[in-house]
Amino acid sequence: KAGVTQTPRYLIKTRGQQVTLSCSPISGHRSVSWYQQTPGQGLQFLFEYFSETQRNKGNFPGRFSGRQFSNSRSEMNVSTLELGDSALYLCASSSNRGGVGYEQYFGPGTRLTVT
Amino acid sequence: TQLLEQSPQFLSIQEGENLTVYCNSSSVFSSLQWYRQEPGEGPVLLVTVVTGGEVKKLKRLTFQFGDARKDSSLHITAAQPGDTGLYLCAGGQGTQFYFGTGTSLTVIP
Repeated sequence: KAGVTQTPRYLIKTRGQQVTLSCSPISGHRSVSWYQQTPGQGLQFLFEYFSETQRNKGNFPGRFSGRQFSNSRSEMNVSTLELGDSALYLCASSSNRGGVGYEQYFGPGTRLTVT
Repeated sequence: TQLLEQSPQFLSIQEGENLTVYCNSSSVFSSLQWYRQEPGEGPVLLVTVVTGGEVKKLKRLTFQFGDARKDSSLHITAAQPGDTGLYLCAGGQGTQFYFGTGTSLTVIP
């Protein structure tokens, strides 16, 4: 099975712009989660989508939004970019493996730099 | 809110040494995952433990889930330079996962 893919891998934007990141989960996985990773804050949960519905949401401002399509692919959008949004954005897909419950598998991430 | 604390935060050891990384929380989790992450890449799942007291071995890596399902440890025997990376624990509560602060391990040849 192909793993989680994320596009683009690298992105440079300027303050005030907006950006859209894309994630394709592992085939058959219906849950997609997004995380922001920075050296100072570690891995911070943004939101989780399941069957096109946002099921969980982290503590991020409304500038961060997402959606999921019927094929489980997901996008996240950040509007009015700030310097502090520079980070590695990770997407993870998960499924219930019965005895071990849910397991998350991560994509390679999108490195966003805001200048 | 950071639910999981890892220790130590940084670890630099010589090849061949043993080490243990700890992941502690006051919360109970239905599962506990360990990941290893290389710079600029996504975390790679190493193991999932779900039963209190469970021990899993993956070659030179031994993972243990605490009896109360609040904490976990990762023990590496005879560390090798290829073990270098950021080790993350994650506690699962249903479909939501809470990540630890991370342990950056460097194994010096």
